[in-house]
Amino acid sequence: DAGITQSPRHKVTETGTPVTLRCHQTENHRYMYWYRQDPGHGLRLIHYSYGVKDTDKGEVSDGYSVSRSKTEDFLLTLESATSSQTSVYFCAIGGRDRIYEQYFGPGTRLTVT
Amino acid sequence: TQLLEQSPQFLSIQEGENLTVYCNSSSVFSSLQWYRQEPGEGPVLLVTVVTGGEVKKLKRLTFQFGDARKDSSLHITAAQPGDTGLYLCAGAMDSNYQLIWGAGTKLIIKP
Repeated sequence: DAGITQSPRHKVTETGTPVTLRCHQTENHRYMYWYRQDPGHGLRLIHYSYGVKDTDKGEVSDGYSVSRSKTEDFLLTLESATSSQTSVYFCAIGGRDRIYEQYFGPGTRLTVT
Repeated sequence: TQLLEQSPQFLSIQEGENLTVYCNSSSVFSSLQWYRQEPGEGPVLLVTVVTGGEVKKLKRLTFQFGDARKDSSLHITAAQPGDTGLYLCAGAMDSNYQLIWGAGTKLIIKP
């Protein structure tokens, strides 16, 4: 199994507060992704990274920012959390040889009250 | 808009029955992956198909990529309760490294 961890695994926060989720990989893979998963919507890409300090927006990037200062860490920040951002967030890495094969972390369940 | 439509959205059957899940698009993909997700966990890659008409077998699971590389199917023979989960298909295109995801098929196998 790919070494991918996410922290925290669960978080409850209040509307308007900033929140940062961390994804850590031990595989030294170049591509990393942040998704959110909601009932009826499947997996939706928030942001992705194709190298240190190289990131790009996905289809639902509004209200989110990311940073990648080291290969192994990809951070997702909700600048001012809203109730619509209550979701399960997954980090994934692209395969080393087949970058389109993605390996997922265990997820973070975020509740914004 | 690139879409990948999965059907059915939900399927509940008895242990021992066969089933097929479909993944369809009007777009051509360079490869297509199938993932399974269990409650409280992230999706896990089951298989990748890359050649039009390709068939891959994983024990009781058979995956097929359409000849035109626009669709795929997952067939499970003699389903077991351990097959229960959310099955997701995802297509990759040559132009970028993002995947196009289906909404998923929730499968329940009753003992």
